[in-house]
Amino acid sequence: DAGVIQSPRHEVTEMGQEVTLRCKPISGHNSLFWYRQTMMRGLELLIYFNNNVPIDDSGMPEDRFSAKMPNASFSTLKIQPSEPRDSAVYFCASSLGPGAGDTQYFGPGTRLTVL
Amino acid sequence: GENVEQHPSTLSVQEGDSAVIKCTYSDSASNYFPWYKQELGKRPQLIIDIRSNVGEKKDQRIAVTLNKTAKHFSLHITETQPEDSAVYFCAASTGGGADGLTFGKGTHLIIQP
Repeated sequence: DAGVIQSPRHEVTEMGQEVTLRCKPISGHNSLFWYRQTMMRGLELLIYFNNNVPIDDSGMPEDRFSAKMPNASFSTLKIQPSEPRDSAVYFCASSLGPGAGDTQYFGPGTRLTVL
Repeated sequence: GENVEQHPSTLSVQEGDSAVIKCTYSDSASNYFPWYKQELGKRPQLIIDIRSNVGEKKDQRIAVTLNKTAKHFSLHITETQPEDSAVYFCAASTGGGADGLTFGKGTHLIIQP
């Protein structure tokens, strides 16, 4: 298996622009998680989905952030408009899902820089 | 919500010695406690995990202990090697494969030759 796939790996954009991060979970995994990592705040859970349904988005910083999972093999995290404080590494992770397995496998991350 | 505290933030040990990293959690409903290792510029990778029905788990040079009463768990690495140098994160969740992880702030482990 190719593992969790994220794109792009690096993104540099200017303040005010829309940014879309993409994630493909491991095939057969039913839970998908978005995390953000910064030096100041560490690893933070933003949102997670079980069986394509958003379960908890309380970690999403504000309305500028939105996430979707239209099918079992694809999810997006969108920031609109982006701000310099959004600069971070964004990780997607997946697990087998409810009642099937706890282990979360992380993707390689997207390093976002907002100028 | 859950709060996970991790100590120390930096730990330097001589090669061959043991390293211990400690974490506490606040939510008594948490029952799944993984440990991740992250090398510079890489993704977090699971090295060991423990569930609340177990007090200790060992995998070669790595062991984790859990005290549910005191709400703390620890990572023990014996016979440390240079490749053990990395940032280690503890985490907690209500488990069952259906919940996000709350992470500690990380411990930078430095193995001195």
